[in-house]
Amino acid sequence: EDKVVQSPLSLVVHEGDTVTLNCSYEVTNFRSLLWYKQEKKAPTFLFMLTSSGIEKKSGRLSSILDKKELFSILNITATQTGDSAVYLCAEFTQGGSEKLVFGKGTKLTVNP
Amino acid sequence: DTGVSQDPRHKITKRGQNVTFRCDPISEHNRLYWYRQTLGQGPEFLTYFQNEAQLEKSRLLSDRFSAERPKGSFSTLEIQRTEQGDSAMYLCASSPPGGNQPQHFGDGTRLSIL
Repeated sequence: EDKVVQSPLSLVVHEGDTVTLNCSYEVTNFRSLLWYKQEKKAPTFLFMLTSSGIEKKSGRLSSILDKKELFSILNITATQTGDSAVYLCAEFTQGGSEKLVFGKGTKLTVNP
Repeated sequence: DTGVSQDPRHKITKRGQNVTFRCDPISEHNRLYWYRQTLGQGPEFLTYFQNEAQLEKSRLLSDRFSAERPKGSFSTLEIQRTEQGDSAMYLCASSPPGGNQPQHFGDGTRLSIL
């Protein structure tokens, strides 16, 4: 069965630090990997990665996929207190299914 | 784009009661999903609709759970004879036509079983 593993499970940093969150996956037929940010409520979509080696960027956040080594990273530079959240990684399972399989998430706390 | 809307936001009920949740997807999205999330875990898939057709159901969806999307717009999730283990956040998501699209989530309904 498809599996997504995130590390670390929690991380505490100071404002201005750069963080790297990790996501590894085991899938039968890979389609895409997605990153979400979850504060107190709805997971908010950040990135969807399909191709290896192509960086996606939005402001201080960026993400890249390595399909050979089966992992993705999410980088946040110059962290702010508003970046405090749980970051979820998910992947689409084998062809024909539209369900997302999520990891447990990384809880990021950014202290002033 | 008004986002995915869920109602109610919170539901507290006694064990053994039936509960029903509603989800209104983003208007142009024909795909609708239900997930369940417990503390410290990522969301777990429950079921998926394309228009009014229920195309996938998880093994997690016991016979006490039923979901409908009668006109291909809003959806309801009903839990009959609730149990303590049903306490969780129930999340709804929607996505536009075509596979392999990002799913956009609502704020969820938090269910607490007394």
